Amino acid sequence: EIVLTQSPGTLSLSPGERATLSCRASQSVISSYLAWSQQKPGQAPRLLIYGASSRAAGIPDRFSGSGSGTDFTLTISRLEPEDFAVYYCQQYGSSPYTFGQGTKVEIK
Amino acid sequence: QVQLRQWGAGLLKPSETLSLSCAVSGGSFFGNHWTWIRQPPGKGLEWIGESDHRGGTDYNPSLKNRVTISVDTSKNQFSLRLTSVTAADTAFYYCARARYGDYMGQGTLVTVSS
Repeated sequence: EIVLTQSPGTLSLSPGERATLSCRASQSVISSYLAWSQQKPGQAPRLLIYGASSRAAGIPDRFSGSGSGTDFTLTISRLEPEDFAVYYCQQYGSSPYTFGQGTKVEIK
Repeated sequence: QVQLRQWGAGLLKPSETLSLSCAVSGGSFFGNHWTWIRQPPGKGLEWIGESDHRGGTDYNPSLKNRVTISVDTSKNQFSLRLTSVTAADTAFYYCARARYGDYMGQGTLVTVSS
């Protein structure tokens, strides 16, 4: 089973700042099958990025994903008030498909 | 617009069977993987398993002996069945399209308590 480790656990930033979230895999992720989702309190997760770098439908271009192999990054270029949430990475290349433990982006 | 609507019992006693269903509208049921994910309150996400439209399944080994995912292509629905539940199965359960959940249901809180 591939273990995904997200860092940092919490990121304290101000609106307008740049956010950089990391996801490291215990083994190489096949075909860069790595996704990022956002979850707000009381809501289902919302897909942001799939295939490591492809934005899902309707996702603003301030969200971008990069990486391959075992190291992946989600970047939010300029934080908007609605971006403060928990972010999860997920690998779906090797079953069982696994999630990271999450990174909380909070208002500083 | 693809929509997933899920339903099922929200309160179970230990040893009972969890049953949830998910109806898909606005998109093709064929050619996709249909997934169940769960999240204990205040904790992270766990992949439960998936089925393709032909009924081919894959399950998380941590649940493999207790879980069944089935599809009904005539109704564009798929279902989750988890037997012998315990308090550890208390969680929000989400149905989703695709392995990475490009569309998700609204979620169902299932509480297991005597």
